[in-house]
Amino acid sequence: GENVEQHPSTLSVQEGDSAVIKCTYSDSASNYFPWYKQELGKRPQLIIDIRSNVGEKKDQRIAVTLNKTAKHFSLHITETQPEDSAVYFCAAVGFQKLVFGTGTRLLVSP
Amino acid sequence: DTAVSQTPKYLVTQMGNDKSIKCEQNLGHDTMYWYKQDSKKFLKIMFSYNNKELIINETVPNRFSPKSPDKAHLNLHINSLELGDSAVYFCASSWEGGAGNTIYFGEGSWLTVV
Repeated sequence: GENVEQHPSTLSVQEGDSAVIKCTYSDSASNYFPWYKQELGKRPQLIIDIRSNVGEKKDQRIAVTLNKTAKHFSLHITETQPEDSAVYFCAAVGFQKLVFGTGTRLLVSP
Repeated sequence: DTAVSQTPKYLVTQMGNDKSIKCEQNLGHDTMYWYKQDSKKFLKIMFSYNNKELIINETVPNRFSPKSPDKAHLNLHINSLELGDSAVYFCASSWEGGAGNTIYFGEGSWLTVV
């Protein structure tokens, strides 16, 4: 089945810096890659997703890139703000289910 | 107008007890899930149902029994609770088994077994 690895597990940046979180997946048949943000005590919420027919997608300060050949995808956050502090999960669709990475705790210091 | 709602939000119970968590979605989705998030924040799928039919059972102990009376509801019953069952349980829903479709999560149920 699908296996998703995510790095780093924690990431500390200064406000205004960029943050990059990387994920790799194992199932070459996976074709959908969402990213979720989970604030403390809250539910995971979708922030951006990408499908296998696209290499990059942007939404304001957030972008995701996908390299299907290498089976890895990344989340890029520019001009980070303290409210970006949260746990971020990548995910990949395996056989009829979404498999999550292990999460990255992002801390943005003012 | 909550999309995916689950109750209770907090549950503290003793080892050996039996408890249930209820979930309902008003998005019209045909697929519902239970995910478990442990203390290390790992999110792991437990079950998924499509139109009331069990699709995925991720080697969860048979003390956990999901029930889907209709496609808008997926309840989770846990027998003989153990300390290791303490976690946050998230209900979720989507269209068509999640394949390329956004999964929406409920607010979570914090289960503490003492």
